[in-house]
Amino acid sequence: SQELEQSPQSLIVQEGKNLTINCTSSKTLYGLYWYKQKYGEGLIFLMMLQKGGEEKSHEKITAKLDEKKQQSSLHITASQPSHAGIYLCGAALNTGNQFYFGTGTSLTVIP
Amino acid sequence: NAGVTQTPKFQVLKTGQSMTLQCAQDMNHNSMYWYRQDPGMGLRLIYYSASEGTTDKGEVPNGYNVSRLNKREFSLRLESAAPSQTSVYFCASSHTGGHSYGYTFGSGTRLTVV
Repeated sequence: SQELEQSPQSLIVQEGKNLTINCTSSKTLYGLYWYKQKYGEGLIFLMMLQKGGEEKSHEKITAKLDEKKQQSSLHITASQPSHAGIYLCGAALNTGNQFYFGTGTSLTVIP
Repeated sequence: NAGVTQTPKFQVLKTGQSMTLQCAQDMNHNSMYWYRQDPGMGLRLIYYSASEGTTDKGEVPNGYNVSRLNKREFSLRLESAAPSQTSVYFCASSHTGGHSYGYTFGSGTRLTVV
């Protein structure tokens, strides 16, 4: 079983629509990261959340970490074709050196 | 540009052949990692090196060996490639305690074993 579950697995939206991607853990998250990956490229760091209830925004992308620190959501407002790619959450689930990644969400934005 | 550099970008191997994937970072990071990415399974840790001179097994180490040559370089070796090792491989680096600082990833090596 995956330590971090992402939903949905894939998403196809019309340009201009809003969308949300979720990342859920059964354990407390010690630092939650969101990454974006384009085909043939490495992962690009988007943002990091550490405190329960924390919310960060970068351009039209907003990420939240819930108060219990077991779920994070990534919200894109007014999606554009440039938002297309695979979104991955990543987190440390304990205070050790183990870092886990979610299963990924593939986003397609139709012009 | 500062970052993580992986070579090669693409490789096709025959079953039983060996090869080494190279990774170098120029950010003075202590920790380096090798992941493989497979459809529906996300990123899985193969090996990591918390600091120069140390290496440890990750989630899926079988069939692989690693060498932390110096602080900059961390290589991944397949001694006898198998079709199950067809995957995209990513190298990453971070400061010690990566979950506090985030990881920097290379652009990946797409490996096919036939």
